[in-house]
Amino acid sequence: NAGVTQTPKFQVLKTGQSMTLQCAQDMNHEYMSWYRQDPGMGLRLIHYSVGAGITDQGEVPNGYNVSRSTTEDFPLRLLSAAPSQTSVYFCASGGTGDIVELFFGSGTQLSVL
Amino acid sequence: GQNIDQPTEMTATEGAIVQINCTYQTSGFNGLFWYQQHAGEAPTFLSYNVLDGLEEKGRFSSFLSRSKGYSYLLLKELQMKDSASYLCAALDSNYQLIWGAGTKLIIKP
Repeated sequence: NAGVTQTPKFQVLKTGQSMTLQCAQDMNHEYMSWYRQDPGMGLRLIHYSVGAGITDQGEVPNGYNVSRSTTEDFPLRLLSAAPSQTSVYFCASGGTGDIVELFFGSGTQLSVL
Repeated sequence: GQNIDQPTEMTATEGAIVQINCTYQTSGFNGLFWYQQHAGEAPTFLSYNVLDGLEEKGRFSSFLSRSKGYSYLLLKELQMKDSASYLCAALDSNYQLIWGAGTKLIIKP
């Protein structure tokens, strides 16, 4: 199993550009989420989804959009990139059950100039 | 507000034992997670505690005290590959994870 596949691994954008970070999982997980990780701070939730067609905002949603048309895919769109969005982004998915363990993608290092 | 506190950095010697502490304040509580994150990589799950007490898994153990809002991760027989950041995260009443900033563990020979 591939687990959680996240692309691209690195990206450099200019201020104002838009882009989509791709995330796909093959574990049939209902829960998927996007986090950003900045130095000295904990992981911060951007958006999450509890199933196809359902999305909700996390702690830091401004400047980002998501959609969940299938169980497998959960892309994150940056609408108009800003330097404050320079960060490492992780997609994560989780199943249901007694222990809601998250499985993370390999991360995207994004720099906005 | 909701908050997770853990030390920023710790240093230990190969073969020794180290304890990484975590205190949490959340709106409700549905469990405490520990994740390991090597530099430049994604976090990976280590342990989950929801009841008071110690959970042992090989060289790693995790402890929880709900009344004190406190957890620790105990690593025994340290190996160089244990050099990583260790992330503490609490699950609040809405089943959202609140993450600490992580503890960078440096292992010296």
